Amino acid sequence: DSGVTQTPKHLITATGQRVTLRCSPRSGDLSVYWYQQSLDQGLQFLIQYYNGEERAKGNILERFSAQQFPDLHSELNLSSLELGDSALYFCASSEQGSGGANEKLFFGSGTQLSVL
Amino acid sequence: GNSVTQMEGPVTLSEEAFLTINCTYTATGYPSLFWYVQYPGEGLQLLLKATKADDKGSNKGFEATYRKETTSFHLEKGSVQVSDSAVYFCALPAPAAGNKLTFGGGTRVLVKP
Repeated sequence: DSGVTQTPKHLITATGQRVTLRCSPRSGDLSVYWYQQSLDQGLQFLIQYYNGEERAKGNILERFSAQQFPDLHSELNLSSLELGDSALYFCASSEQGSGGANEKLFFGSGTQLSVL
Repeated sequence: GNSVTQMEGPVTLSEEAFLTINCTYTATGYPSLFWYVQYPGEGLQLLLKATKADDKGSNKGFEATYRKETTSFHLEKGSVQVSDSAVYFCALPAPAAGNKLTFGGGTRVLVKP
């Protein structure tokens, strides 16, 4: 158990809809990262937050947004969903926020999103 | 920008066989290199890392040596077990993405008894 909690584990929705994925980082970790894992794109970094502030952006679409709350949990909002958004979305956390370059990333078990 | 390329899977082996997963990288300078592993139904977890050239990372019987001459970080294990069945990801920091980890496409390994 990594200590990172993601909910829900599975989400099935229709095109055009909006969903929210939730992540609780490991106790004591200040930084949260969102990754998307799909068959064709592999594992892609989306966005990072550190202590409530956005720190880095990767390949995140404009239809997607995220935030980190004062209690350090994070939410990833996906809107106007398309079939191609179907993927496994991972949240990871780390203590300092160096992005995994100099510290370990702890991953949750992911949210499987299916857009029908 | 920094990137990694790893061999495509799936790799199917018998128990106690030797495993090699190739990973080559393109990078500015000499960043740390990582192998993460994803067991079925779980998130990724750090398997091993090497922080400078010629370093050897090791964990759970797996080893990888940071070779700057060949820009490689191949993962090896001398005798695999069924429990090693997983997807393995090579990774390195990507300056273009705020130094966040960039992962290879992953290599699925299936070990049969």
